[in-house]
Amino acid sequence: DAKTTQPTSMDCAEGRAANLPCNHSTISGNEYVYWYRQIHSQGPQYIIHGLKNNETNEMASLIITEDRKSSTLILPHATLRDTAVYYCIVRVADTGRRALTFGSGTRLQVQP
Amino acid sequence: EAEVAQSPRYKITEKSQAVAFWCDPISGHATLYWYRQILGQGPELLVQFQDESVVDDSQLPKDRFSAERLKGVDSTLKIQPAELGDSAMYLCASSDRGNSPLHFGNGTRLTVT
Repeated sequence: DAKTTQPTSMDCAEGRAANLPCNHSTISGNEYVYWYRQIHSQGPQYIIHGLKNNETNEMASLIITEDRKSSTLILPHATLRDTAVYYCIVRVADTGRRALTFGSGTRLQVQP
Repeated sequence: EAEVAQSPRYKITEKSQAVAFWCDPISGHATLYWYRQILGQGPELLVQFQDESVVDDSQLPKDRFSAERLKGVDSTLKIQPAELGDSAMYLCASSDRGNSPLHFGNGTRLTVT
């Protein structure tokens, strides 16, 4: 699976949009981009995933660049409960070995 | 919403003792994963099951760790004997077939003294 690069930490003001970047310059055509987050002392929580089109659900939006070498997770109105470590993960589709390989993620601190 | 259940939530054990963790995946999920997470790091895969068969245990320290999923439903991860360096969060996850996302439990926090 392709390697991802994320900033170590970010701050965001409560009520503002949080934009979390991720670089995956070696991504292959059959690799999806997944985002998870982990709130302190809990297991990772699935947020969203996509292949090449932008995706949106009730939690967030995922914007993938046209060349697929980077993506941005957008939390439209951050709240204090969004404070967490956010992981961007690239995973090959349909290999039969679909485990996720986690990096160190981005620690997002939402400030009141 | 269905959840992955893990127990116990916390476990303290002395080194050289045996310890076991239990996981009940979301009903119908064929794939089950055990991860270990050391404080300050991302989770690392230990073992992956497809139904009752192991499909990846390349990162499992087999001299002391074992995992089973006898009926293809719930699973047990065992450490014997425990070492100080095994102190970590042990996470279980499950997924449906295809490219569906993994769903994680809240883990077992192990402290070895």
